[in-house]
Parts: sequence; structure tokens; C-alpha cells
Amino acid sequence: DIQMTQTPSSMPASLGERVTISCRASQGISNYLNWYQQKPDGTIKPLIYYTSNLQSGVPSRFSGSGSGTDYSLTISSLEPEDFAMYYCQQYDSSPLTFGSGTKLEIK
Amino acid sequence: EVQLVETGGGLVQPGRSLKLSCVASGFTFNNYWMSWTRQAPGKGLEWVASITNSGGSTYYPDSVKGRFTISRDNAQNTLYLQMNSLRSEDTATYYCTREERTRYYWYFDFWGPGTMVTVSS
Repeated sequence: DIQMTQTPSSMPASLGERVTISCRASQGISNYLNWYQQKPDGTIKPLIYYTSNLQSGVPSRFSGSGSGTDYSLTISSLEPEDFAMYYCQQYDSSPLTFGSGTKLEIK
Repeated sequence: EVQLVETGGGLVQPGRSLKLSCVASGFTFNNYWMSWTRQAPGKGLEWVASITNSGGSTYYPDSVKGRFTISRDNAQNTLYLQMNSLRSEDTATYYCTREERTRYYWYFDFWGPGTMVTVSS
């Protein structure tokens, strides 16, 4: 199975700050990488698919990049609604696997 | 508006069975692959099962293969997860998810609110 390592596991940040969350795969995944956001009430939605494609309706302050084994999610200027959990997920090979998550907290 | 609503969760003893349902609306159900993904309390996400749009093929990780069965009724716009031989480690919130799939894209584009399954004696 491909292991997905997300860093950091938690990140205190301030409104307006630029933040980057990293995700490293245990082997190359050919850009087959998605990002999801989970709100405190449990609601989950996709943010980025295939490394850098913004899901419809997601604000442009979210962006994704990467290649090979290393990928990242960047939020250019934090808004109050962005404080949540973030997960990466690979679909290069079965089983589909997720990172362990990054909790974005208010500083 | 796409909606996925799971039901069927609850408290079940180890070794027993439980069947989850997910009613879909707001899209043409038989055009999409569907999946179940779960989240243990305080833990991350784990893919549990996928099924093709016709229901002809199913896929599972080793952790549930042979114990869980995903199925669908396209006439009723309903997805199911039959869970047998339940273990304490199956305790989780189970999410019904729709898959968006193309040659390069494959992601879960809609998620239900989830249903909680607790396996305990």
C-alpha cells in the first residue's frame, strides 16, 4: 500500500496568513493526488483534484502543486472558514489511501 | 442539488452484521461509481469499498475484503454496505461518496453526512 505522510499534523495560523500543507507519498504517484477539507461538524468536501485542479465552487485562494512523491496545498490568505482538517489522498494504486490529516487552528 | 443520505448505523456486538444504506438524489445515479469511506473516532479517513455504475464490479481494501459487500439498486437510487463479522476496529463514521472519474481524475466529489457504527459488547 502507498503510505501518505502529511505534515504538519497541526498548524496554528492567523487570519490573512499564507499557509502550506505538505503530503509525501511512499512512492511516486504520478500527480494522482487529491485534497479534501473536513469541517468540525464532519462535513467533507473536495478542494483540489489531480494535484492542481480546483474543484468547482472552491475559492481561488486554495491551490495545489507537486510531482513525484511530494505535493502541497497552499491557502494564500486564511479566512475564518478555512480553519478545519485537511487530508490528501492518492489514487495511483489500490487501495486508495489518505494522509493522516492536518488540523489548521486559529493562532 | 446532489444529496447523499446514509442510514443504518448503530451499536452492534462483535461478530454480528449490519447493513448500511445511502439514498442518492439530485443526479443520475446509474451514471456514477459510488463508494463508502469511513473514519474511526479521532482518526483519519479510510476507503472501504467502491462499485461501478452498473454494479457489475466491486473493489475493497484487504482490511474489509471477504467481510463487507457493497451493492446498489439503481432503480431505487440506493447504495448499500453489508458488513459481516464486525470487529471493534470497524467502529467509525461511514460516509457514502460519489466518485468523479475520468482518464486522469478520480476523486470523491460528494460526501454524505455519515452514519456512526459502534462495534462493542
